[in-house]
Amino acid sequence: KQEVTQIPAALSVPEGENLVLNCSFTDSAIYNLQWFRQDPGKGLTSLLLIQSSQREQTSGRLNASLDKSSGRSTLYIAASQPGDSATYLCAVPPSNDYKLSFGAGTTVTVRA
Amino acid sequence: KAGVTQTPRYLIKTRGQQVTLSCSPISGHRSVSWYQQTPGQGLQFLFEYFSETQRNKGNFPGRFSGRQFSNSRSEMNVSTLELGDSALYLCASSWGQGFQETQYFGPGTRLLVL
Repeated sequence: KQEVTQIPAALSVPEGENLVLNCSFTDSAIYNLQWFRQDPGKGLTSLLLIQSSQREQTSGRLNASLDKSSGRSTLYIAASQPGDSATYLCAVPPSNDYKLSFGAGTTVTVRA
Repeated sequence: KAGVTQTPRYLIKTRGQQVTLSCSPISGHRSVSWYQQTPGQGLQFLFEYFSETQRNKGNFPGRFSGRQFSNSRSEMNVSTLELGDSALYLCASSWGQGFQETQYFGPGTRLLVL
């Protein structure tokens, strides 16, 4: 069974600081890893999807890396802004299942 | 292109009642998945449908059921509601052709069981 862990559970930083969010998974036989953002009481917004053959993926201020062998992914957010305040979740589809296993998320607060 | 839509957005029910939630996927997407999100358990997979067939099911009791129509719209039903069913129910859609696809989520239906 795929277990996904996100550390830390919460993070508070001043505006302008770079954010580093961690995600680890127990089964390295993954097809991809997806990062999502969730605002309070809202649905999930897909940020980045990294295929298992990729080492990293970038979109604007966001950069996600993937190390399958060690079961880790890291989401970097450069020059954080108050609008980046949200919960960030990572998710992986375990082996050949049509479903996602989610981490519990990291709640980020960016102080103005 | 319209995103994933879910109706209703909010529901209040009492214990023992049943409820039906609806999800309309992005146009052209044939896979619809349902998830339950609670503060204690996080996001948990309920089931996934592709071309009107359930391809995968999570570890939920039989009170939770779903179906998909020929236009890919999906409904999930919860019978004999319990207090613990209070949650945000999210659906996600994708093309359904492989595990490498991005999942697109709707805004969710917030269910409160009293």
